[in-house]
Amino acid sequence: DTGVSQNPRHKITKRGQNVTFRCDPISEHNRLYWYRQTLGQGPEFLTYFQNEAQLEKSRLLSDRFSAERPKGSFSTLEIQRTEQGDSAMYLCALGGLYNEQFFGPGTRLTVL
Amino acid sequence: GDSVTQMEGPVTLSEEAFLTINCTYTATGYPSLFWYVQYPGEGLQLLLKATKADDKGSNKGFEATYRKETTSFHLEKGSVQVSDSAVYFCALSEGSGGSYIPTFGRGTSLIVHP
Repeated sequence: DTGVSQNPRHKITKRGQNVTFRCDPISEHNRLYWYRQTLGQGPEFLTYFQNEAQLEKSRLLSDRFSAERPKGSFSTLEIQRTEQGDSAMYLCALGGLYNEQFFGPGTRLTVL
Repeated sequence: GDSVTQMEGPVTLSEEAFLTINCTYTATGYPSLFWYVQYPGEGLQLLLKATKADDKGSNKGFEATYRKETTSFHLEKGSVQVSDSAVYFCALSEGSGGSYIPTFGRGTSLIVHP
């Protein structure tokens, strides 16, 4: 089982507020990824972890974004001082043997 | 850097028609290739994969062959159903020996009419 759960599924917030999303893998996988997806586009890489170590972070990622994976299992993605341009679907995924990605259902963020 | 190019959609077909969605790639190493499917309101699901040249990935009636000479990984299905309506993403990952950051195409929307 390579399932991933994400919470919340939907988040509506006002501009300037902070939001935090959580990703919980059902099975153990060393690599955990965060992506952002906007309408009509493919997933855009944000960052990934090898166990608890954050190995790579997109250069496009603002300093307002931070992610953690404290015990190498679940992960959180926080966005500080949200902007309307942050409205998107945020996807968590686990990397398999050939780095195939097993995605969660995503968290849809709407910034008003 | 690596890149994936997919045919633009939407692709509109009648039920039981033959489907081809073209995908070509550029990569510095020897990537694994993937097709993912995304149904409305859901996350992406792995549809099939091929990990080396001439491999054929298949699942749920869909097939794709890893063609190194043409750097292509076209998705095919012999007879589509209304339930196949979704967005399809081609992707690659270099994996071990290269970058662990996957590269995705922009997606191709498929609409199947009864």
